[in-house]
Amino acid sequence: AQSVTQLDSHVSVSEGTPVLLRCNYSSSYSPSLFWYVQHPNKGLQLLLKYTSAATLVKGINGFEAEFKKSETSFHLTKPSAHMSDAAEYFCVVSDTWQAGTALIFGKGTTLSVSS
Amino acid sequence: DGGITQSPKYLFRKEGQNVTLSCEQNLNHDAMYWYRQDPGQGLRLIYYSQIVNDFQKGDIAEGYSVSREKKESFPLTVTSAQKNPTAFYLCASSTRQGPGSYEQYFGPGTRLTVT
Repeated sequence: AQSVTQLDSHVSVSEGTPVLLRCNYSSSYSPSLFWYVQHPNKGLQLLLKYTSAATLVKGINGFEAEFKKSETSFHLTKPSAHMSDAAEYFCVVSDTWQAGTALIFGKGTTLSVSS
Repeated sequence: DGGITQSPKYLFRKEGQNVTLSCEQNLNHDAMYWYRQDPGQGLRLIYYSQIVNDFQKGDIAEGYSVSREKKESFPLTVTSAQKNPTAFYLCASSTRQGPGSYEQYFGPGTRLTVT
């Protein structure tokens, strides 16, 4: 069965410094992977997705993620954090072959950005 | 304006009462989903529907019921049988459910408090 593990429940950075949010996945087949962001009391917004095309995926707001099959990882990065990046981030996996499968969410990483 | 609407944003109920959460989408999506979010738990799937008049249980369906009479609408009823109903509920939709899961678009959520 597929699963996803977000390795840090909370990450704190200073404004202008790099962001790294770590995600490992487990999937029996070629997965689709996503990162979503959620601001307090809001719905989720898709940041980026990997669906077996380029392994380096660029998303919105300067975020990107690299799919590494050998490490079963899909870490999210941003070169320079902004105060508005403070939010909760979810790594998500889905099977690409099985009909009727919904998304599997990690437990989330809360990103704090200080000035 | 295309998107997913959930109403109300905040809902308060007494224990023992059933309550229905609304979810409407005008994205012409076939598939719709209900998730429950608790602090530190990520999102857990309650029910999903691939087409009108069809729906399947997710991981935590006990104490919940749904209907899908129209493509645009997927209401969720939280029944008195749900032992711990206080949570943030998120509705989502996607263009297609099946081989190659597609990203889901989320509504703004409904925070339900039961006392």
